[in-house]
Amino acid sequence: EAGVTQSPTHLIKTRGQQATLRCSPISGHTSVYWYQQALGLGLQFLLWYDEGEERNRGNFPPRFSGRQFPNYSSELNVNALELEDSALYLCASSFVTAKPLPYTFGSGTRLTVV
Amino acid sequence: KQEVTQIPAALSVPEGENLVLNCSFTDSAIYNLQWFRQDPGKGLTSLLLIQSSQREQTSGRLNASLDKSSGRSTLYIAASQPGDSATYLCAVRHVMTTDSWGKLQFGAGTQVVVTP
Repeated sequence: EAGVTQSPTHLIKTRGQQATLRCSPISGHTSVYWYQQALGLGLQFLLWYDEGEERNRGNFPPRFSGRQFPNYSSELNVNALELEDSALYLCASSFVTAKPLPYTFGSGTRLTVV
Repeated sequence: KQEVTQIPAALSVPEGENLVLNCSFTDSAIYNLQWFRQDPGKGLTSLLLIQSSQREQTSGRLNASLDKSSGRSTLYIAASQPGDSATYLCAVRHVMTTDSWGKLQFGAGTQVVVTP
């Protein structure tokens, strides 16, 4: 069974540009979660999508946005990039039931803003 | 507001010693707790998940306990090996509320080095 896949592995962007990160969940998982791990900081919750809808978002500005497609894959968009957006972005998936399966994380996208 | 703390922040042990990693949380209204491993610059690998109704989970050399009433979980790694060197993170998932559902609240992690 394929795990959670994220692309690209690395991304270098210039300040002010837009970045698009992609995530494919484990087959059968309907929920996708995005987390940011900046250097020296812990993992911060960004966004949760389930069944194509945004269900919850963390304390991030609106320039962090995303969407979930009918096949449950997801995109994270970061507009007007700032230097402090440089971080490892991790995607996770799970199936939302009364007894949720463990979250499974992908290998991440390393975003560098220069 | 839930706070998740991991002590110690870093740990170095010789190969063969048992590892004891601690995780504490302030709000006992959790749904489950999950332990992860993270290698430098990499994603997270799930190690163990404990539902709130469970006391412990075991997988090979790993054993995790949960005391929800005292807000504590402990991860034990028996007979450590150099390959166990990594950062270990605990994360709690809360019972369903509008604000908390879907979020994992992570601790800052314990960085482990196992020396040959």
